Amino acid sequence: GAVVSQHPSWVICKSGTSVKIECRSLDFQATTMFWYRQFPKQSLMLMATSNEGSKATYEQGVEKDKFLINHASLTLSTLTVTSAHPEDSSFYICSAAGRRTSDETQYFGPGTRLLVL
Amino acid sequence: SQQGEEDPQALSIQEGENATMNCSYKTSINNLQWYRQNSGRGLVHLILIRSNEREKHSGRLRVTLDTSKKSSSLLITASRAADTASYFCATDAWGATNKLIFGTGTLLAVQP
Repeated sequence: GAVVSQHPSWVICKSGTSVKIECRSLDFQATTMFWYRQFPKQSLMLMATSNEGSKATYEQGVEKDKFLINHASLTLSTLTVTSAHPEDSSFYICSAAGRRTSDETQYFGPGTRLLVL
Repeated sequence: SQQGEEDPQALSIQEGENATMNCSYKTSINNLQWYRQNSGRGLVHLILIRSNEREKHSGRLRVTLDTSKKSSSLLITASRAADTASYFCATDAWGATNKLIFGTGTLLAVQP
């Protein structure tokens, strides 16, 4: 159990377009979802935390108007990279934490690789 | 920076040998977790150790935690080529429920 999926797994887009990435918890209800960004050979950096039905909390330095997060249901969160530019190219990973007794583990999706040309 | 640090940054060993990775962090924690990431893939949760625990085992994995030194170690015994991956520690900061701060990671290469 505790499977998290992401779609798409990779995307190539032109500079200036917007890209939406979906994160779904497949077999549990995710009260909180997290979005991370990872550059090549580097660690994960938390971008934002989203709770179902409320506004996302962004980390310092992350532009909320650039990275729109919606957590409309207990199984789905979306990250939209608006007006993407080449510097937004990165590996985006979501994770989900849910209503499981004594389970503080975050379950990670497989990631979405974004390349902006 | 809130990010923890891991050492070594890279480790190359022969199959069958043990691999030890260390993680240091900066703030008080609720728990510390270790994750594994294969190249270009998502993270797989390996083990969680709470702040009141000193050692934990799971299969070939052994994790220690020293809160006085703000450090943890991950030992993989009898390594296999399939253990080749990046390993990250992540701390769940006290007072910030579920928010994880990741370490810099250790790239482990196990030579067959």
